[in-house]
Amino acid sequence: KNEVEQSPQNLTAQEGEFITINCSYSVGISALHWLQQHPGGGIVSLFMLSSGKKKHGRLIATINIQEKHSSLHITASHPRDSAVYICAANSGGSNYKLTFGKGTLLTVNP
Amino acid sequence: GAVVSQHPSRVICKSGTSVKIECRSLDFQATTMFWYRQFPKQSLMLMATSNEGSKATYEQGVEKDKFLINHASLTLSTLTVTSAHPEDSSFYICSARQTGYEQYFGPGTRLTVT
Repeated sequence: KNEVEQSPQNLTAQEGEFITINCSYSVGISALHWLQQHPGGGIVSLFMLSSGKKKHGRLIATINIQEKHSSLHITASHPRDSAVYICAANSGGSNYKLTFGKGTLLTVNP
Repeated sequence: GAVVSQHPSRVICKSGTSVKIECRSLDFQATTMFWYRQFPKQSLMLMATSNEGSKATYEQGVEKDKFLINHASLTLSTLTVTSAHPEDSSFYICSARQTGYEQYFGPGTRLTVT
């Protein structure tokens, strides 16, 4: 069973700061997902990656397969980035199930 | 592209009644749909996996007779909470997968059982 750990659990930043959220997992994966959930809201898929790095606007996701570690970076953070960020791993196999981290609550103050 | 909708977004029902939640993939055919529930300040918990035209696979501890899942077409799956009780109050989220590992999530349905 894959264990997915996220850090930090809570993160408070000032507008404009560079944010990093970390995710580590215990067994090999086929894909890693970064998800965003606003309070009381649904989930938005930000990235799915299996190697290297992806960038979308101010968001960057990286993954190091050898170290079983992924990071989500937010540049020039904004109060609208305040949300819970969740890392989830596909361990492979035909069931495509995700194992979720507990999430990181990000609060960006103006 | 890749939009998943859920209906209703919020529902309040009385204890003992049944509630149906729909999950639709609007612009793609979903090979697999997943149903999750989420309690406040907790992460998602997978309830079941459904493939079109076949019986759902339930996770350990999830009562299949209480949470009925039907995946009748490649764009629609339904979750029916039967004989709902207050402890079933939760946020229910579906996701859909077409091919590969990408999953697209619905906006969720908040169920309150009084």
